[in-house]
Order: sequence, then structure tokens, then C-alpha cells
Amino acid sequence: DAKTTQPTSMDCAEGRAANLPCNHSTISGNEYVYWYRQIHSQGPQYIIHGLKNNETNEMASLIITEDRKSSTLILPHATLRDTAVYYCIVNDMRFGAGTRLTVKP
Amino acid sequence: GAGVSQSPSNKVTEKGKDVELRCDPISGHTALYWYRQSLGQGLEFLIYFQGNSAPDKSGLPSDRFSAERTGGSVSTLTIQRTQQEDSAVYLCASTPGYLDEKLFFGSGTQLSVL
Repeated sequence: DAKTTQPTSMDCAEGRAANLPCNHSTISGNEYVYWYRQIHSQGPQYIIHGLKNNETNEMASLIITEDRKSSTLILPHATLRDTAVYYCIVNDMRFGAGTRLTVKP
Repeated sequence: GAGVSQSPSNKVTEKGKDVELRCDPISGHTALYWYRQSLGQGLEFLIYFQGNSAPDKSGLPSDRFSAERTGGSVSTLTIQRTQQEDSAVYLCASTPGYLDEKLFFGSGTQLSVL
């Protein structure tokens, strides 16, 4: 089973920040948190990953709590093309059901 | 090749037939994963290869499923005596391995068992 849990679905208004939470309370000290997204039936696309520190790249920001038991993926200005299923995983590479994000006009 | 390549992209077969699905990982990637995704569901882990180590087969759903990786590169997933519940998209992913474990996915094989 996946070591991560995420809400089933979320909505976000276009142009607003989308904040997607993930719980990984059993994460080990040397395990990274990875985020991917899947649009339609395409293969998942890597977004970002982190260990302890917050991370930012051209796609998103990743905020990891100090105890590392949870994290939040932030899409700062969501667009309609960000509508997708977002997955949070750790190093065991087991995927849960993910969060279906719908960005609305 | 620039990315992970899977073939065929679509496969239609009759119940009871055997099928083989192929995955060509990115050159130099040491780790390779197979996943199954049924319609509307998340990715189900099947099997993991890392270098010359014994594969992690813990996700294979039955003994009808098997996979091999030849020469540390190309992998083949074989499903024997296919059943209708095997219908799904089968995704392959590779990673550089060890310190860098970002997964790079192929486009998948859509398997339909009639």
C-alpha cells in the first residue's frame, strides 16, 4: 500500500493558488517526497521533490513540515491546463489514488 | 532515444491468450518499474528492477504475470491466459537510480481483453 494519503478531489479558481496537501506520517528519515501529475491517460509527469527543505522550481513549490509528516504542493497561479490528477509518493514508488484537481474559469 | 518507449501502444487480445508488453528505458537508467492503471484508478505497482539485484515482484497480482529485464535495459511484461480484468493501461518508468529517483514514464500500453 502507498505510504501517502491525499484528498480525493479539489477545485481551484483559475489564476488563484492551488494548495494540494499530502500526508506521509510514516516517512523514513532518508526518504524523499515526490510529486507527479497525470493529465488524461498520459504517463505521469514529474513536478518536484524534496527531503527536508522547501523547494521551488518553474512548475511549483513544495512545502514540507518540520516533522516531515506532511507536505503541500503549491501551484502559484493555476491555469485550466493544470487540471489533472496529482500524486504524492515517497521512495517506495507506490502511488495512491491521488488528488483530482479541477481548475475552473 | 529521448524518453521511455513502450510497445505496442494498443493491444487487443482474446481471453485466454498470452501477451507480451515491451519497455525500452532511457539509456543508462538503472531502475525500471511496471505499473498497471485500470480505468479511473490510480497506478498499481507491479514490479521493480534495480541493476543486477533480484527484482521486487511483490506487486504482481497473480502467477499469470511475469517480467524480465535483459542486459539491464529492455524489459518485457508477460501476461499468460489473459482475463478480462487484466484490461488496463500498463505503464513503464525508469529512473537513473540511487541518488536520483525521479521517475520518467512511457506513454503506456492500453491492453483490452475481449
